[in-house]
Amino acid sequence: QKEVEQNSGPLSVPEGAIASLNCTYSDRVSQSFFWYRQYSGKSPELIMSIYSNGDKEDGRFTAQLNKASQYVSLLIRDSQPSDSATYLCAVITYSGAGSYQLTFGKGTKLSVIP
Amino acid sequence: DGGITQSPKYLFRKEGQNVTLSCEQNLNHDAMYWYRQDPGQGLRLIYYSQIVNDFQKGDIAEGYSVSREKKESFPLTVTSAQKNPTAFYLCASSLSPGLNEKLFFGSGTQLSVL
Repeated sequence: QKEVEQNSGPLSVPEGAIASLNCTYSDRVSQSFFWYRQYSGKSPELIMSIYSNGDKEDGRFTAQLNKASQYVSLLIRDSQPSDSATYLCAVITYSGAGSYQLTFGKGTKLSVIP
Repeated sequence: DGGITQSPKYLFRKEGQNVTLSCEQNLNHDAMYWYRQDPGQGLRLIYYSQIVNDFQKGDIAEGYSVSREKKESFPLTVTSAQKNPTAFYLCASSLSPGLNEKLFFGSGTQLSVL
């Protein structure tokens, strides 16, 4: 069973600070990594994807991937109260015979304090 | 507007009753998915379909059934065999399964037991 682990939080940061969300995964051959944001009572929406080691930046969001350590993170700069949500880490692994398995972590709840 | 439509938003089930959750997409996506989300939990895969007239069980398929007679539609039936059906149900679609698979979610259906 492929596992994706996240600290459930809540993670509280003051407005304007950097929020750091972390995710580890169990399958060394996992190849694609995603961050989804889910507001309370709403459906998840994709905010970042990363496939290669290193950093990928998109506005205030930076995804970081370290395949050797099986670790992916999401940094949110200049955090705003509107960033308060649960962030889900998702990992895709090729499972053979043309099949791919997408596994979600349980999510980290972020609270940005004004 | 392209998107995924789930209905109803709220649904109540009586003991011993089967209920069907609707999911329709006009994104021309090949793959469709049903997830269950319990409070404080991540997304658990119930069923998925990569093409019309074909679907596969996910991690928690017992007590559920699906059909995929049209590309646009992927209804989920929660049968009386599902003894703990109260949860938030999310339908999702993607252009095609693979390493670059990005999911688009419907707005969800909250199912409760009377």
